[in-house]
Amino acid sequence: DVKVTQSSRYLVKRTGEKVFLECVQDMDHENMFWYRQDPGLGLRLIYFSYDVKMKEKGDIPEGYSVSREKKERFSLILESASTNQTSMYLCASSPRGTANYGYTFGSGTRLTVV
Amino acid sequence: QQQVKQSPQSLIVQKGGISIINCAYENTAFDYFPWYQQFPGKGPALLIAIRPDVSEKKEGRFTISFNKSAKQFSLHIMDSQPGDSATYFCAASSPGAGSYQLTFGKGTKLSVIP
Repeated sequence: DVKVTQSSRYLVKRTGEKVFLECVQDMDHENMFWYRQDPGLGLRLIYFSYDVKMKEKGDIPEGYSVSREKKERFSLILESASTNQTSMYLCASSPRGTANYGYTFGSGTRLTVV
Repeated sequence: QQQVKQSPQSLIVQKGGISIINCAYENTAFDYFPWYQQFPGKGPALLIAIRPDVSEKKEGRFTISFNKSAKQFSLHIMDSQPGDSATYFCAASSPGAGSYQLTFGKGTKLSVIP
């Protein structure tokens, strides 16, 4: 069964900490995405990557950075966590090219910043 | 800014009834319209999708109706069951730099009551 795996289901971090959220996919997909999900706001795109070492800003990149050193792994970094970054974070991947396959999402990481 | 507007935000339907969720878009370059279903504690999963050259697509109890001239599409769930209780997201994709990208609606929380 194809998978997108997010390393942690729940995380609690302190304000100011540097936080790493890891995502690994086993489908050999070129594209990977990070979203945050908040009630009433839906899914908002933070960053995405079309290839190794490539990254593009999404709609809300402020306060975040990403790293993609290997095709299967896409990391989201909160440089200095703040309470307004408390959210559900979802990673997704998709193959390059047509949209026929849609996105495959991980189960999410619920991050609480205290 | 590309947008997909989804309504209603929440929906309560009796078991056996029809659930209807509507989405509207502005960008005529959108060329793929998927719906995602998300259960609590899980990531969204692709449910059904349609391309704009087709007016309707049916898969089991789930039907997408697409009105290209009105730039609207909707999800109909026939004979709704308690197991259909979930959050539903519509989305639309357009070609972007390197590959396509999905724009999501804000989601509809469906509750099917026995």
